[in-house]
Amino acid sequence: AQKVTQAQTEISVVEKEDVTLDCVYETRDTTYYLFWYKQPPSGELVFLIRRNSFDEQNEISGRYSWNFQKSTSSFNFTITASQVVDSAVYFCALSEDLNNNAGNMLTFGGGTRLMVKP
Amino acid sequence: EAEVAQSPRYKITEKSQAVAFWCDPISGHATLYWYRQILGQGPELLVQFQDESVVDDSQLPKDRFSAERLKGVDSTLKIQPAELGDSAMYLCASSPWAGQGKETQYFGPGTRLLVL
Repeated sequence: AQKVTQAQTEISVVEKEDVTLDCVYETRDTTYYLFWYKQPPSGELVFLIRRNSFDEQNEISGRYSWNFQKSTSSFNFTITASQVVDSAVYFCALSEDLNNNAGNMLTFGGGTRLMVKP
Repeated sequence: EAEVAQSPRYKITEKSQAVAFWCDPISGHATLYWYRQILGQGPELLVQFQDESVVDDSQLPKDRFSAERLKGVDSTLKIQPAELGDSAMYLCASSPWAGQGKETQYFGPGTRLLVL
C-alpha cells in the first residue's frame, strides 16, 4: 500500500525567509508519480508540480524548487524568499502505475500549513 | 483557462436530510474523481469514474452515499441520510484519459458541507 508522510504539520516563517516542506513516501511500485498541491484558504487545490519516478532531476520554477531523492524516498519542496501570498496548506501526493487503463487515485499526505508573516 | 466547476460552494443541512453535490469537469476529461477532505487532513478518494463507468468506489460508504455520471460528463454525489461525521469538504477533480497514474488531476473549488 502506498503512503505519504508530511511530518511538519505547521511552519511559521517571516517574509523573505527560505522554507522547505518535507515529504516522504512509501510504495512498492517501481513506476509512480509524485505531486505537490497548494490549498489556499479559499479551499481549491492548485497543482504545482508532477514528477515521475524515473526523473530525479531537481526542478526550479521561479521561487519554487523541488528535490526528489529516490534513495531516501523523499520529494521536498523549497520556497525561496517566501511571501505572505505563499501562506497556504501544501500537500504532497503519490499515484502508482497500476496499469488499469484509467487514471489512478492520489494518496495525499496530511499537509503542511505554511504561515508567512510580514 | 478551463476549470472544474462545483456547486454549491457551501451547504448546511440537518442530520438525516439528503444532500447532493454537482461537478462539471474540464471539457474533454474522461476521468472524474470525488474526494472527501476532513478538516486538518489530506483528501481521500471516494469514487473514480472513467467516462460513465465507476472504476473505483471501494472507499464510498454505499449505505448512504451514491454517485453517478450518467452521460460521462458532469457528475452528482449524493448523501442520504447525512450524518454529523459527513461534515467535510467534498472535492471534485478531473484528468484526461491516459492511464497509469501519470495524468495530473485538476481540482474544483470544493463544496463545504456542515451537518448539524
